[in-house]
Amino acid sequence: DGGITQSPKYLFRKEGQNVTLSCEQNLNHDAMYWYRQDPGQGLRLIYYSQIVNDFQKGDIAEGYSVSREKKESFPLTVTSAQKNPTAFYLCASSGTGGQQYFGPGTRLTVT
Amino acid sequence: GIQVEQSPPDLILQEGANSTLRCNFSDSVNNLQWFHQNPWGQLINLFYIPSGTKQNGRLSATTVATERYSLLYISSSQTTDSGVYFCAGAIQGAQKLVFGQGTRLTINP
Repeated sequence: DGGITQSPKYLFRKEGQNVTLSCEQNLNHDAMYWYRQDPGQGLRLIYYSQIVNDFQKGDIAEGYSVSREKKESFPLTVTSAQKNPTAFYLCASSGTGGQQYFGPGTRLTVT
Repeated sequence: GIQVEQSPPDLILQEGANSTLRCNFSDSVNNLQWFHQNPWGQLINLFYIPSGTKQNGRLSATTVATERYSLLYISSSQTTDSGVYFCAGAIQGAQKLVFGQGTRLTINP
């Protein structure tokens, strides 16, 4: 099955801990993206990567870090510097046409 | 950056009704897309429609790029159409999509 997988579906962490969210795609897409969604809001771009070993900050990158060592994988680390990390995190990828496809998301709760 | 405005913010309809959702952009965009977010949070692609009209079953979309807006039509609504509908677009030459705040559609049986 072709698609985007995110794990875990739900994640609980204590304040002050870093946490890494996984995103894998087997669509052979070059570009991958991380978005954050807060309740009742639209999606905001955290980071994106157009090619392996390269990535750019989105609109709300502070407190987050990413890596893109493989085409299929784009993990997101939520660091302790992120002031309000509790949110729904969505990963997406796109091919040459630009249409974005989304994974099922990870709900992160930090207490 | 570009601003994306969706209307109405909320819409409650009875099963079988038709609806029109609107998306306005503050600047010219490409990569215009419509998504449906289901109750579990998954975003499903509905249309990739930088211009023109497309139809898929009971859903259709029209984008008038010169006037910077897009419309999503849902006919003969079903309860499974409930959820939040988002439009998103990118400025020329960019891959960064900017999302609207969404329209929350509730279809009652």
